[in-house]
Amino acid sequence: GAVVSQHPSWVICKSGTSVKIECRSLDFQATTMFWYRQFPKQSLMLMATSNEGSKATYEQGVEKDKFLINHASLTLSTLTVTSAHPEDSSFYICSAQWGEQFFGPGTRLTVL
Amino acid sequence: GIQVEQSPPDLILQEGANSTLRCNFSDSVNNLQWFHQNPWGQLINLFYIPSGTKQNGRLSATTVATERYSLLYISSSQTTDSGVYFCAVDTDYNQGGKLIFGQGTELSVKP
Repeated sequence: GAVVSQHPSWVICKSGTSVKIECRSLDFQATTMFWYRQFPKQSLMLMATSNEGSKATYEQGVEKDKFLINHASLTLSTLTVTSAHPEDSSFYICSAQWGEQFFGPGTRLTVL
Repeated sequence: GIQVEQSPPDLILQEGANSTLRCNFSDSVNNLQWFHQNPWGQLINLFYIPSGTKQNGRLSATTVATERYSLLYISSSQTTDSGVYFCAVDTDYNQGGKLIFGQGTELSVKP
């Protein structure tokens, strides 16, 4: 149990385009999901907390207009990177809260 | 905010050796989790351990909340144990809480 999926697992896009990443809890319902970002050889940095049916809470320094988060149901949260630039290239990981946090496999974004 | 420090940052072991990884945190925590990040980036839950001791096969963990540290023990290490080990703490005393991660310990187990 407690499986979290992410789609896509990797994506390459051109600068200026938008990319949507989906995070799903497959066998449990999650009121709260989280989005993290990880650069090579670094730790995970929390970007935002996503609560079902309400607006996301963003960490300091994270642009809410650039990283749009929607938590439309108890099993799905989406992160949209708008007008992507090369500096947005990173590994994006979501997690879902069910007692403890369970993590998705991550999405590797490369912006050309 | 809370500081989470892990040591050592890097560790190289011969297969079969034992090791201890440490996680210090600077304030009271609601919960603490240990993860193993495999080479493909997936975080695997090892322990959910706000206090006390737990064991799962060759791995065990102890958290001493009053002294603000946690230890992860790996016995009889195998090459598949290689990867990065993170501890993360939850300081939100309300419903659910965001995790603050340490910088990780990168473990390499040689055959």
